[in-house]
Amino acid sequence: GAVVSQHPSWVICKSGTSVKIECRSLDFQATTMFWYRQFPKQSLMLMATSNEGSKATYEQGVEKDKFLINHASLTLSTLTVTSAHPEDSSFYICSARAQGGGNTGELFFGEGSRLTVL
Amino acid sequence: QQQVKQSPQSLIVQKGGISIINCAYENTAFDYFPWYQQFPGKGPALLIAIRPDVSEKKEGRFTISFNKSAKQFSLHIMDSQPGDSATYFCAASMINSGYALNFGKGTSLLVTP
Repeated sequence: GAVVSQHPSWVICKSGTSVKIECRSLDFQATTMFWYRQFPKQSLMLMATSNEGSKATYEQGVEKDKFLINHASLTLSTLTVTSAHPEDSSFYICSARAQGGGNTGELFFGEGSRLTVL
Repeated sequence: QQQVKQSPQSLIVQKGGISIINCAYENTAFDYFPWYQQFPGKGPALLIAIRPDVSEKKEGRFTISFNKSAKQFSLHIMDSQPGDSATYFCAASMINSGYALNFGKGTSLLVTP
């Protein structure tokens, strides 16, 4: 099956620093990637939709200047949390939709990246 | 605004029993309804999915029942096993939004030995 890899799987940083999380589709090309955020014991909340070669579309309430998303190639999207604060501590998960996936709707998820901001 | 409502929030089932989780939606434009299984500290994994032109889909011990007129769908796990203990999310998506998934709040399932 299709594999989506996220790196790092966990990261601890100091308040005020920036953290970059990578999402790679290993065996397929992903036209569209989605970034989700999940707090403990809660559901996944869509943050933004990332299309290769164009600007990401952010959901209402998500600060685009704080959560920078870049989708420079068909196999890589990155999420950068800028000037991180403790309230940004969360589980960030990406998912990818295969290019040419037609209207199957199937998304493949990464293993998630746990961010802890001290 | 929660576009997909899921119940129950938690569920305890004895080994060998049937686990049933229900979801409801409002947006009739949704045309893809997957169920995901998530273990602690892991990303969600697709279990089974259905489209609105089908009323039921079965894959192994997992069955989705879909009621288009009621805008409801449910997951049935037959012969539940302790290894099935996880959080289950229903979701809905549509082609108009690039198939971005709208998740339910999740159901924490515990299967006791």
